[in-house]
Amino acid sequence: DVKVTQSSRYLVKRTGEKVFLECVQDMDHENMFWYRQDPGLGLRLIYFSYDVKMKEKGDIPEGYSVSREKKERFSLILESASTNQTSMYLCASSTKAGGVLAGELFFGEGSRLTVL
Amino acid sequence: AQSVTQLGSHVSVSEGALVLLRCNYSSSVPPYLFWYVQYPNQGLQLLLKYTSAATLVKGINGFEAEFKKSETSFHLTKPSAHMSDAAEYFCAVSNQAGTALIFGKGTTLSVSS
Repeated sequence: DVKVTQSSRYLVKRTGEKVFLECVQDMDHENMFWYRQDPGLGLRLIYFSYDVKMKEKGDIPEGYSVSREKKERFSLILESASTNQTSMYLCASSTKAGGVLAGELFFGEGSRLTVL
Repeated sequence: AQSVTQLGSHVSVSEGALVLLRCNYSSSVPPYLFWYVQYPNQGLQLLLKYTSAATLVKGINGFEAEFKKSETSFHLTKPSAHMSDAAEYFCAVSNQAGTALIFGKGTTLSVSS
């Protein structure tokens, strides 16, 4: 079975803390994505990566950065967490060859972050 | 710019009734359209996709969707709802470069017995 694993299902952090959200996929996928999910707003793309050390901004990159040092791992970093970053964060991956257009995004179960 | 609009944040149906979840899209290029489902405490999974091969698309669990270019719509239907269909449903369109998906705000489907 294909697998996208997000290391933490639930996190509670304090304002100003640096937060790392980790995502690992075991499918040898080239593309990886971070989305944020909020009630009434759906999923919004934060960043994506199509190769190791490559990254592209999505629709809401402000306040976030990412790291892709290995193909299987894509990290989302909140440099200084704020309360408005309290949300569900979803990681996804797909193959490069038509993966996105084929709609074959594989999602992790999500990381629910609360910033106090 | 590419976008999708899901009409109705909540839809309630009785078991056995028709399910209709609405999605309209805006796209400057021929669109690739998708429906995903999210069950409670789970990630999203693909229900079905339109990639221009056929306007009526069949997906998993008895769902189907029809692409109507004249109406810029891609509504999701199921003839007979089951309790297990209760979930959140997301319509999505590929971005212009085909590198990522843009999701709608979601529709929560409730099914009552």
